[in-house]
Amino acid sequence: AQSVAQPEDQVNVAEGNPLTVKCTYSVSGNPYLFWYVQYPNRGLQFLLKYITGDNLVKGSYGFEAEFNKSQTSFHLKKPSALVSDSALYFCAVREGYQKVTFGIGTKLQVIP
Amino acid sequence: DSGVTQTPKHLITATGQRVTLRCSPRSGDLSVYWYQQSLDQGLQFLIQYYNGEERAKGNILERFSAQQFPDLHSELNLSSLELGDSALYFCASSAWAGGGNEQFFGPGTRLTVL
Repeated sequence: AQSVAQPEDQVNVAEGNPLTVKCTYSVSGNPYLFWYVQYPNRGLQFLLKYITGDNLVKGSYGFEAEFNKSQTSFHLKKPSALVSDSALYFCAVREGYQKVTFGIGTKLQVIP
Repeated sequence: DSGVTQTPKHLITATGQRVTLRCSPRSGDLSVYWYQQSLDQGLQFLIQYYNGEERAKGNILERFSAQQFPDLHSELNLSSLELGDSALYFCASSAWAGGGNEQFFGPGTRLTVL
């Protein structure tokens, strides 16, 4: 069965500093990996995805993620955090036509 | 704006009642998903439809049912409501049924059961 873990409930980072939100996954085959962001009282918004090919994926709002097959990780990164990046971030995994499994979410707090 | 619409935005009802949540997918999307989000359970996948057919089932209670109509809109029916059903219910859509398709989420329906 597929699963995804987001080991940190909350990540705090100072504005202008680089940020990382961690995600690890478990699947038996090849994964499709996604990051979504949720702002308060809003639905989830798609940020980026990994399907195949280049391990570094670039997405919306300056975010990027690195697929690491040996460590089964897909960490979300941004070189310079903005206060407006403060939100709830979800990692998700899918194998083939299975249902998508979402992590529990990581709250990102960017401190001015 | 994701292009996915959900109605109503808020719903307040009593235990034992039945409600219907409605979702219209993005134009051209054939697949619809329903999720429940609560503070203690996180984001839980309920069910997926693709072009009118049930495609995948998650942690959906027997008291809950859903369908996707020929015009591709979907409805989630919740019956014999309990206090614990209070949550945010999201609908999402994607172009196809699986693989690397990203999902586009609606704004959600906040259900409060009193």
